[in-house]
Amino acid sequence: ETGVTQSPTHLIKTRGQQVTLRCSSQSGHNTVSWYQQALGQGPQFIFQYYREEENGRGNFPPRFSGLQFPNYSSELNVNALELDDSALYLCASSSAGSETQYFGPGTRLLVL
Amino acid sequence: GNSVTQMEGPVTLSEEAFLTINCTYTATGYPSLFWYVQYPGEGLQLLLKATKADDKGSNKGFEATYRKETTSFHLEKGSVQVSDSAVYFCASDGGATNKLIFGTGTLLAVQP
Repeated sequence: ETGVTQSPTHLIKTRGQQVTLRCSSQSGHNTVSWYQQALGQGPQFIFQYYREEENGRGNFPPRFSGLQFPNYSSELNVNALELDDSALYLCASSSAGSETQYFGPGTRLLVL
Repeated sequence: GNSVTQMEGPVTLSEEAFLTINCTYTATGYPSLFWYVQYPGEGLQLLLKATKADDKGSNKGFEATYRKETTSFHLEKGSVQVSDSAVYFCASDGGATNKLIFGTGTLLAVQP
């Protein structure tokens, strides 16, 4: 069974640029959630995708957007990057209706 | 609203000491509760979970009991090892399945 994978592992961008992060869900999972973890903090929920549609969103501005593809993989896009967007971005997958989410290793984004 | 509060760290223990990390929650529904562990430079790993009152989750010597009367889910281990050094996060799904709400994390350092 393949776990959750994310790419890239690390990324450096400058303020104002755009970034795309990718996530492949665990085999058999059809729901993907994205979280932002700032240094020294707990993860904060960004949004969740189920059947290629957004299924809940946290307190993040519209410049954070996402996609889910028919194979259940997902992308997180962030436009107009700000310094405060520097964080570890975590993807988690789950089966619909299950309370348990399984996390990938994360993508560490640094905005200069 | 939904929130999770956990004891602040760092917690420093000697090998074979007893561990308790406190966690309390507020929820509008009937949440499932989780403990995740994060090793340095890695993503989150599910340690244990409980889905209803009085359930006990356990894994790798760690235990936590879902106490509805005290809205708590404290993590315990009878004898810690150096390899248990990590950050531990308590989380709740708030009674829904589309997002997890995390505490701020507790750093555990176990000395030989």
